[in-house]
Amino acid sequence: DIQMTQSPSSLSASVGDRVTITCRASQSISKYLNWYQQKSGKAPKLLLLAASTLQSGVPSRFSGSGSGTEFTLTISSLQPEDFATYFCQQTYSTPPSFGGGTKVEIK
Amino acid sequence: QVQLEQSGAEVKKPGASVKVSCKASGYMFTSYAIHWVRQAPGQRLEWMGWINPGSGNTKYSQKFQGRVTITRDTSASTAYMELSSLRSEDTAVYYCAREITMKLVAAFDPWGQGTLVTVS
Repeated sequence: DIQMTQSPSSLSASVGDRVTITCRASQSISKYLNWYQQKSGKAPKLLLLAASTLQSGVPSRFSGSGSGTEFTLTISSLQPEDFATYFCQQTYSTPPSFGGGTKVEIK
Repeated sequence: QVQLEQSGAEVKKPGASVKVSCKASGYMFTSYAIHWVRQAPGQRLEWMGWINPGSGNTKYSQKFQGRVTITRDTSASTAYMELSSLRSEDTAVYYCAREITMKLVAAFDPWGQGTLVTVS
């Protein structure tokens, strides 16, 4: 099974900050990498798929990059509604697996 | 709009079974796979299995093989996940999610609201 490792596990940032989250796969997954946002007590919401494609309705301040084993999610200017936990997911092979999450908190 | 509506919270005794439903609306139910994912307290999201609602074909995680059964009722646009021989470690929020594909990459969108299953 493919292991997904996210870093950092948590971070504190201010509104307006640029935030970058990293996700590493235990083997190459090409671009089979998705990013989700989860707010407390809610279901995950798809932000980006195929490493860099923004899902419909997601603000353009979110962007993704990477391929192979290393990927990044960037929020260009953090907004109050962005404080949440972010997960990466690989769907290169079964079972699909998730990173441990990065909690973005208010500084 | 596309929605997945799950059944309500459950409390079960160890050794019992639980069956969670996931009703789809806003799209053709038989055209998209449905996955089940759980999130135990403090743990990462964990994939359990999926069903092709059109054919009824299923695939399960090795971890849950023999304990999980995913079915569907196409007339009701509803998928079901049944987990048996429950133990305290199965206490979690269980989600269903629709599979979409873009640029050959599968992703889960949308997700149901989640169903809390407590084993105690």
